[in-house]
Amino acid sequence: GQSLEQPSEVTAVEGAIVQINCTYQTSGFYGLSWYQQHDGGAPTFLSYNALDGLEETGRFSSFLSRSDSYGYLLLQELQMKDSASYFCAVPFSGGYNKLIFGAGTRLAVHP
Amino acid sequence: GAVVSQHPSWVICKSGTSVKIECRSLDFQATTMFWYRQFPKQSLMLMATSNEGSKATYEQGVEKDKFLINHASLTLSTLTVTSAHPEDSSFYICSAKSGLAASYEQYFGPGTRLTVT
Repeated sequence: GQSLEQPSEVTAVEGAIVQINCTYQTSGFYGLSWYQQHDGGAPTFLSYNALDGLEETGRFSSFLSRSDSYGYLLLQELQMKDSASYFCAVPFSGGYNKLIFGAGTRLAVHP
Repeated sequence: GAVVSQHPSWVICKSGTSVKIECRSLDFQATTMFWYRQFPKQSLMLMATSNEGSKATYEQGVEKDKFLINHASLTLSTLTVTSAHPEDSSFYICSAKSGLAASYEQYFGPGTRLTVT
């Protein structure tokens, strides 16, 4: 089967850096993606890694190590508006372009 | 671009009634749409995948006779919760992708909060 594990909660202060880890088990790997969701809102796409290494997009970066079945989302210069849930996801190996989501990490940013 | 809308944004209905939720892709053709269910502080659980003009494919454990999905056009999919019960109360989110897009290139609607009394 497929599964993803990520911490349930992370707390940080404004201006800090936080890393949200995601480990996955999948029979076929096609890439790791990250989504942000504010309470009551729609998930929004943040990043996608198909190859090993770091992808940087502004204050957010995402890293992947396929040999370790591990990735992380790095958020820098944290702002209050970054308080949200963050989900990692992998495509379902059975096809149909479906995504399997992790349980999500709730990030609380404090002043 | 890549905007997906859902209607209604919230709905309250009585137990035993049916509720229809619409999902529209506003500026692209969505050959595939996905319906998710999300309980408070939990992850998105895929309910079904619908391809335009075809029958929806339901995930294991999802009752297809209870959650009717229709994807009649390239911009509209509907989810009908039939004979709703309080346990069906949840946040329902759709997403849409075009045919050539990768799996992660899904665009999500704002969600519909269903409360069954």
